[in-house]
Amino acid sequence: KNEVEQSPQNLTAQEGEFITINCSYSVGISALHWLQQHPGGGIVSLFMLSSGKKKHGRLIATINIQEKHSSLHITASHPRDSAVYICAPTDSWGKLQFGAGTQVVVTP
Amino acid sequence: DAGVTQSPTHLIKTRGQQVTLRCSPKSGHDTVSWYQQALGQGPQFIFQYYEEEERQRGNFPDRFSGHQFPNYSSELNVNALLLGDSALYLCASRPQGAYGYTFGSGTRLTVV
Repeated sequence: KNEVEQSPQNLTAQEGEFITINCSYSVGISALHWLQQHPGGGIVSLFMLSSGKKKHGRLIATINIQEKHSSLHITASHPRDSAVYICAPTDSWGKLQFGAGTQVVVTP
Repeated sequence: DAGVTQSPTHLIKTRGQQVTLRCSPKSGHDTVSWYQQALGQGPQFIFQYYEEEERQRGNFPDRFSGHQFPNYSSELNVNALLLGDSALYLCASRPQGAYGYTFGSGTRLTVV
């Protein structure tokens, strides 16, 4: 059983729509990363959070430690947001455990 | 300020050969982790280095080995390459005691 579950696996949205990606994990964590990966492989860290909520521009990430659940929201989505979004909890040793990722496609 | 630098970006090797991948961490970062990402899948943890020692290891065979140098840069070595070793190899660095990672762009290894 995968210890990190993301949903949905794939998501297609029209430009301007609100997008939500969910992540549930079963392991104890010290922090959780949301990562973005574009075709070609490069990974960018969008957020690292251990409680509450963080916001960067049109991106919002929330985490509920008690429920072991995190969400990534994209407001007013744009075609340049098309990418794979990966949830990655971090254990106390700093080891990342990756979800399978959510492929997001935003159409004009 | 340079981020994480990986080299080479792409390479092709023949089954049974050996390969060395290199990673220079972000300035100020002393902990380096390596990940393998097969096509269409999420990255899998290989190992983590700190103070020139392997601190944690994922579920990878002994054919996968590494090294960290005094300047914190790191190498990943894979011996006796198999077709299934074809993947994107990612390096990520962070300061010890912190959890914020910076990722390299990866090395795409193709084994033929």
